Amino acid sequence: DARVTQTPRHKVTEMGQEVTMRCQPILGHNTVFWYRQTMMQGLELLAYFRNRAPLDDSGMPKDRFSAEMPDATLATLKIQPSEPRDSAVYFCASVLSHLNTEAFFGQGTRLTVV
Amino acid sequence: DQQVKQNSPSLSVQEGRISILNCDYTNSMFDYFLWYKKYPAEGPTFLISISSIKDKNEDGRFTVFLNKSAKHLSLHIVPSQPGDSAVYFCAASGKGGSEKLVFGKGTKLTVNP
Repeated sequence: DARVTQTPRHKVTEMGQEVTMRCQPILGHNTVFWYRQTMMQGLELLAYFRNRAPLDDSGMPKDRFSAEMPDATLATLKIQPSEPRDSAVYFCASVLSHLNTEAFFGQGTRLTVV
Repeated sequence: DQQVKQNSPSLSVQEGRISILNCDYTNSMFDYFLWYKKYPAEGPTFLISISSIKDKNEDGRFTVFLNKSAKHLSLHIVPSQPGDSAVYFCAASGKGGSEKLVFGKGTKLTVNP
């Protein structure tokens, strides 16, 4: 049963703390996306990688967010320091990047910064 | 600057009737379009897609129509069922789907029994 796995599912943290969210893409998928869902903005693209190389991270606040793919089976999204406005659901998605395929999403990490 | 727009935040229909969800895009480089469905506390799941070389794609009760000249697509659900109640996201990509997916803000569909 191939699926995208995200951990943790829920995270409550205090303002100023570091938060790390993890994603295991579907085995063999070469493109990984990080999205953030908020009521106001819907699904915003934060960053995406192809073959572990970052292609676009223009959606991320550069001063506090960072995204990496240490290896093909792990993508991380880090926020340091976290702020209350970062509270949202963060989704990871992966796709095998060729014509006419769809991205598969994980169940998300619900982040609450108090 | 929103490149993919879903102007109706919500839609309510009766069971058995047709649901029509609309989506507009501004970037003429988009050539691959998808609809995702999202239930609460779950990730979005793929529903149906269409390439810009087509104007219609059908899968069971779901049909997507693409009007390239108007930069408009729509999702039709016939007949609508209560289990279809969810948030529907329209998404677009370039280069046949190999570029990043850009999403609209979603439309919450409620199908009343």
